[in-house]
Amino acid sequence: QVQLQESGPGLVKPSETLSLTCTVSGGSVSSGSYYWSWIRQPPGKGLEWIGYIYYSGSTNYNPSLKSRVTISVDTSKNQFSLKLSSVTAADTAVYYCARITLHNWNYVIDYWGQGTLVTVSS
Amino acid sequence: EIVMTQSPATLSVSPGERATLSCRASQSVSSNLAWYQQKPGQAPRLLIYGASTRATGIPARFSGSGSGTEFTLTISSLQSEDFAVYYCQQYNNWPALTFGGGTKVEIK
Repeated sequence: QVQLQESGPGLVKPSETLSLTCTVSGGSVSSGSYYWSWIRQPPGKGLEWIGYIYYSGSTNYNPSLKSRVTISVDTSKNQFSLKLSSVTAADTAVYYCARITLHNWNYVIDYWGQGTLVTVSS
Repeated sequence: EIVMTQSPATLSVSPGERATLSCRASQSVSSNLAWYQQKPGQAPRLLIYGASTRATGIPARFSGSGSGTEFTLTISSLQSEDFAVYYCQQYNNWPALTFGGGTKVEIK
């Protein structure tokens, strides 16, 4: 069974960089069958896709966040990471890491981490 | 960007009744649409993909329909565990994914 677990600081100061790591167990980030993604959800609001990374290192980001986002992968640790720079209170959210699988021409988000709340405050 | 609009925002339904949730895309997404269920304090769970295919382990009371810009998620007979928030999500514009704002299904 695939499991994803987010880790990182729960409090980040405005203008600083948010950094989170997702550790994958029961599966490999080196597999060419999956896209490893970050999704966030502000308190009481809906879901926003942040971006993904493929095992090869290729990435794609939400245009609204592209200038501030970097997603990387560490295959030796079976982890992938998110960095979001110049954060403001609007970046306060539960951050989820997730796996996207291409299944019969459908890109489905089939596994999610439990989510971690990151608050931006001084 | 493809904008996904869900209605209603809140749906009040009695246990055992049918619930019908709507999702509209700002442009055609063909059948490249998924539905997710989210309970408080939990991550979303995949219910439906390809507009109408149930994910593994999803009960038959959940069904999806539609194509193009209009989609529906139907829960035929609501069980207590079905009260949650439901999101639609398009992947026709892959790799850009967008979600709807959600419909909360609450107990009437």
